This record gives sequence, structure tokens and C-alpha cells, in this order.
Amino acid sequence: ETGVTQTPRHLVMGMTNKKSLKCEQHLGHNAMYWYKQSAKKPLELMFVYSLEERVENNSVPSRFSPECPNSSHLFLHLHTLQPEDSALYLCASSQARTGAGVSNTQYFGPGTRLTVL
Amino acid sequence: GNSVTQMEGPVTLSEEAFLTINCTYTATGYPSLFWYVQYPGEGLQLLLKATKADDKGSNKGFEATYRKETTSFHLEKGSVQVSDSAVYFCALSEPSNTGKLIFGQGTTLQVKP
Repeated sequence: ETGVTQTPRHLVMGMTNKKSLKCEQHLGHNAMYWYKQSAKKPLELMFVYSLEERVENNSVPSRFSPECPNSSHLFLHLHTLQPEDSALYLCASSQARTGAGVSNTQYFGPGTRLTVL
Repeated sequence: GNSVTQMEGPVTLSEEAFLTINCTYTATGYPSLFWYVQYPGEGLQLLLKATKADDKGSNKGFEATYRKETTSFHLEKGSVQVSDSAVYFCALSEPSNTGKLIFGQGTTLQVKP
């Protein structure tokens, strides 16, 4: 399945580093999402972009900064993270509703496993 | 607010056993309902979905029926295989322009040979 790709697959960083996660979708969708998956916790929606505009920010700390330069690409810029930010970060895409009956199924990438030391 | 509740796991079954993973939801309006599966070390994959009451989603031998009267979307499979071992997530999509998903906490299934 190569509809949604994420790089890198694994990332280890120190608390003072700055890094970026990249997501690319090849499905012609116009909405993209970042989720955080921590051990033994439900999936947490972080950000939603629809038609390249951020439409949702679920009280995410400012050390996480998303960027959506076009409908195919989504980035998550990371800086001064904490060890509790270690998790699997998942990207997804879908076709945002433009009328009744439009599919809203989300398709996920494989995730980036982030470890903050 | 909208929410999804799944049965707690882990669920451990022998190969060829019958599987049921319960899922109930709370929602206003008419959400779409989904089951996603996550195999070890991978992201989530859509397993099946239903978009209106009494719809049955099915894929790879798995089935789930959208029951509005009981607000449920239980996942079933008649005969599980070792390769079905994974984490299963029930989710609902709020009717909105963003297609926001609300996930349950996930149920781990382990199938033993």
C-alpha cells in the first residue's frame, strides 16, 4: 500500500533538536490529518487540514508545528520535545466533504516511530 | 460529545474460532462507522465501513452491521487465522466537512495455532 507515505519511519532525537516529519499522499485527496498514538492510549487527533487550511488544532502544544504547502504534502515540525512526546505519529488523508454522499474514509500512512531522549 | 467504546482486550482465540469484538457509539446525527486494523509495526488499514443504518460492511471474511437501534457496530468473523492477530479499532466519522474520526481505544486480538 503506497497511497500515503511517511518519512522517516523511525526517528530518535534529543530534547534540544529540531526535526520534521513528512507525509505525502498519492490519492488525490484534499484533507490531511496528524494523529499521535501512544502506548495504551486512544488515538489522538492533532491537526486537520482541509483544502490546505488548518481547520482543527486539538490543543496541541506549540512545540508541534504543522505545515501543509499543498494538498499532497503535510509536515510536522518538531522542536524542544519532551520524552513523553515519544509515540507513533500517523498521517492520514481523505476527500473532504463537498456535498452529500462524498466519501470521508481516511487512509493512513505507516507512521513515524519517534523516540525523544 | 460523540464517542466510541470497544470491548477491552486482549482477546485470545484459537485458530478457526468465532470472533466478536463489540463496539458501541454515542453520536448526534447520522455518522459513518468504520473498523480499522493495525498489524504489528504498521499504520492503520481500513477493514470495512458502513454509512447508514442496517448497512453491512464486509471484507476478508470480517463483517459488521450498523445497528442504529442499539447504537452498535460489532465486528465478527466466522473462523479466525493466526494472520488476523492485530489491534482492531472501531471509529465513527462526524458529519462535517473535515471527516473527523473518533476512535475507540482499540482491541488486541491474538490468535494461537
